[in-house]
Amino acid sequence: DQQVKQNSPSLSVQEGRISILNCDYTNSMFDYFLWYKKYPAEGPTFLISISSIKDKNEDGRFTVFLNKSAKHLSLHIVPSQPGDSAVYFCAASHGSSNTGKLIFGQGTTLQVKP
Amino acid sequence: EAGVTQSPTHLIKTRGQQATLRCSPISGHTSVYWYQQALGLGLQFLLWYDEGEERNRGNFPPRFSGRQFPNYSSELNVNALELEDSALYLCASSSLDRSYGYTFGSGTRLTVV
Repeated sequence: DQQVKQNSPSLSVQEGRISILNCDYTNSMFDYFLWYKKYPAEGPTFLISISSIKDKNEDGRFTVFLNKSAKHLSLHIVPSQPGDSAVYFCAASHGSSNTGKLIFGQGTTLQVKP
Repeated sequence: EAGVTQSPTHLIKTRGQQATLRCSPISGHTSVYWYQQALGLGLQFLLWYDEGEERNRGNFPPRFSGRQFPNYSSELNVNALELEDSALYLCASSSLDRSYGYTFGSGTRLTVV
């Protein structure tokens, strides 16, 4: 049972344009969502997070949007840069359950072309 | 500040053997998490340790086990290795409230032949 899904395995955008990475979840008890970026041979790096009490969180070029009714979140990168080329994972947690568990999606490989 | 460190970077074992993977969390972090990333798959939750105790485990067989030491470092042991155990094993640490997410190490690439 894949509770967090990233349905697009890959995305290619031109440098300077917007990258939009999408993530869907099924568990309505999730209340905290995170995005991680992963380069080959490195561990995932935390990018940005959002609590379920918000619908938007912004940090520089990165903005995460949360639509609770649709159980959907997205990461916008504007403007995209070649250094953004990596695998992006969304993750969700049920904070109040204190399971210590982040549920990750399968990842989306972003390629930003110069 | 040193990040999460994992050793070894690469490990090659024969089917049926045991593998031991090590993780040192960020100073001050008491929680350590282990994840498996098999080829083509996302990160699958394995184990969570906090204050020396196993707090939760994912849907993995008992031959995946571990422990957390008094200095909060952790070991992951995989017994009776199978070919499908070949994967990248990632360790992460966090403070108890996890408000800033997890900090991951670079992982141990385990290859079972």
